[in-house]
Amino acid sequence: DTGVSQNPRHKITKRGQNVTFRCDPISEHNRLYWYRQTLGQGPEFLTYFQNEAQLEKSRLLSDRFSAERPKGSFSTLEIQRTEQGDSAMYLCASSFIERKSAGELFFGEGSRLTVL
Amino acid sequence: EDKVVQSPLSLVVHEGDTVTLNCSYEVTNFRSLLWYKQEKKAPTFLFMLTSSGIEKKSGRLSSILDKKELFSILNITATQTGDSAVYLCAGSGSARQLTFGSGTQLTVLP
Repeated sequence: DTGVSQNPRHKITKRGQNVTFRCDPISEHNRLYWYRQTLGQGPEFLTYFQNEAQLEKSRLLSDRFSAERPKGSFSTLEIQRTEQGDSAMYLCASSFIERKSAGELFFGEGSRLTVL
Repeated sequence: EDKVVQSPLSLVVHEGDTVTLNCSYEVTNFRSLLWYKQEKKAPTFLFMLTSSGIEKKSGRLSSILDKKELFSILNITATQTGDSAVYLCAGSGSARQLTFGSGTQLTVLP
């Protein structure tokens, strides 16, 4: 399978703990995005990378959130001191911007976080 | 701030019915409007629209964009139970990231 891969798929943690999610994009894609989705809502943009550079961060991304894409391939999203409001599905998506269909994002299956 | 609004929020129909889902957008330096289908997991791409008035079709699904009135519609004809899903509309602008609407939950009953 050469699609976008995310792990873990599910994470249950206690409030105050740190969690890290990993995303492996489609190999030739140079853009990688993180979105958050809660029940009944569409995905909300968090941040994106072009290669290894983080080009934009949403105001939703508080200081407790950090994302990296060290070699321009996989990415990690870390949430420190988790709060119950962080419970959501964290979706990763990738795209290749130089092609005509640059707006099309390919999504992973998501990492569902539950903070108790 | 970019904004995408979808209506209705939910829709229940019977197999064979035709449905129209609506999407209005306010996106700075608009580039494209995308439709995705989400069935309890990752959103899957349906259409990307960049030009006004040109219909895109894929089987029983079709979509069209009106850049003057800032909206798009997604039509599904002869609906099937397998069409039950959340349909998401998203706008792409100068930021090159997608702004999504809240989605329309479509339920197709047998």
